[in-house]
Amino acid sequence: EAEVAQSPRYKITEKSQAVAFWCDPISGHATLYWYRQILGQGPELLVQFQDESVVDDSQLPKDRFSAERLKGVDSTLKIQPAELGDSAMYLCASSLAASGSSGNEQFFGPGTRLTVL
Amino acid sequence: DAKTTQPPSMDCAEGRAANLPCNHSTISGNEYVYWYRQIHSQGPQYIIHGLKNNETNEMASLIITEDRKSSTLILPHATLRDTAVYYCIVSAPRGAQKLVFGQGTRLTINP
Repeated sequence: EAEVAQSPRYKITEKSQAVAFWCDPISGHATLYWYRQILGQGPELLVQFQDESVVDDSQLPKDRFSAERLKGVDSTLKIQPAELGDSAMYLCASSLAASGSSGNEQFFGPGTRLTVL
Repeated sequence: DAKTTQPPSMDCAEGRAANLPCNHSTISGNEYVYWYRQIHSQGPQYIIHGLKNNETNEMASLIITEDRKSSTLILPHATLRDTAVYYCIVSAPRGAQKLVFGQGTRLTINP
């Protein structure tokens, strides 16, 4: 069964350093999402891509976070510089649905757990 | 998107049916109800979704009240592997919409 791949699974960094996370969605999925999940809370959307275009980045802290999906396939989320409050699980998800179509089943990867010291 | 209310935690005996309630009294007429679950240290997993009719798949059944203000997810024969946080989410009808997660219900299946 096809799965969303993420790497690394775990990342420990010191504050002010740069970190990057990678996501490879299920083949053929047009929509890609990055969510952040703080311990004890539900995931919260950071950015949503439709192919290579950003659809929603309203909750992305743009002073330190950036995301790209250059060829409309895999994606990278970067944090520079990392802060203590960025410690969380970063989840990538993809869905077959495109804007305007029906259904919204999202498939999630295993996540990257970031610890900022 | 409409807000949902779920109990923070529930317990169920292994082999019994687990019934997880969700209130969504402000749901719009064209919004769907989705259920996802998250097993410890894993990403969320889609379970089922519905609009107004009851739905069943290999994982669970979804019962939506006639006024659509509440729903119940039913796991017919719960196993220890069903221990997870279960999220009830209301989402707009068109595809490619973000999911707005609440706190969910932490379901513990006891042997």
